[in-house]
Amino acid sequence: DGGITQSPKYLFRKEGQNVTLSCEQNLNHDAMYWYRQDPGQGLRLIYYSQIVNDFQKGDIAEGYSVSREKKESFPLTVTSAQKNPTAFYLCASNQGSTYEQYFGPGTRLTVT
Amino acid sequence: GENVEQHPSTLSVQEGDSAVIKCTYSDSASNYFPWYKQELGKRPQLIIDIRSNVGEKKDQRIAVTLNKTAKHFSLHITETQPEDSAVYFCAASMGYQKVTFGTGTKLQVIP
Repeated sequence: DGGITQSPKYLFRKEGQNVTLSCEQNLNHDAMYWYRQDPGQGLRLIYYSQIVNDFQKGDIAEGYSVSREKKESFPLTVTSAQKNPTAFYLCASNQGSTYEQYFGPGTRLTVT
Repeated sequence: GENVEQHPSTLSVQEGDSAVIKCTYSDSASNYFPWYKQELGKRPQLIIDIRSNVGEKKDQRIAVTLNKTAKHFSLHITETQPEDSAVYFCAASMGYQKVTFGTGTKLQVIP
């Protein structure tokens, strides 16, 4: 699977620890997104970025932080302030001309 | 902000029958309505989309209809096959940013 990658596939952390999820794309897309997927709740937007060095909060940004220092990379940090961090996290990217979002394979985070 | 409701949450059909999934949206400014399919353990992938300047779009066995006045859109799958079994998500956005997704429909096609 090329295009957009996420690592690792599975991640385990202890409560109280910050953890950073990686997202890289080689599609030359301007926009990148982070979603959280929980059973029965669809995909909820955490943060998105339209250009380098700029990003906006989505619907559930509390307890998360992001950076966009390079066009290809959009890492997500899940902080200890996130009350229920265990979930499946999906990164996506798209270009303004095509609208279609391309998703990465996801990272399943488990916090105990 | 935008709110997208999707029904039903689960749907079982016999192979060869049709399946219909319905979504409503709240923001009249939304103009882009994609549908994504997510197979078990895999990433969501776009299967069809429609923009607000058209009322219907078809691609082989799948079609999407849009009623802007009522603010609802639907996915129709005809002649269903076992490989159609997956979770389907509708979504709405204004342009290509900040897409709001529905809660998903788990479709099971029974052979």
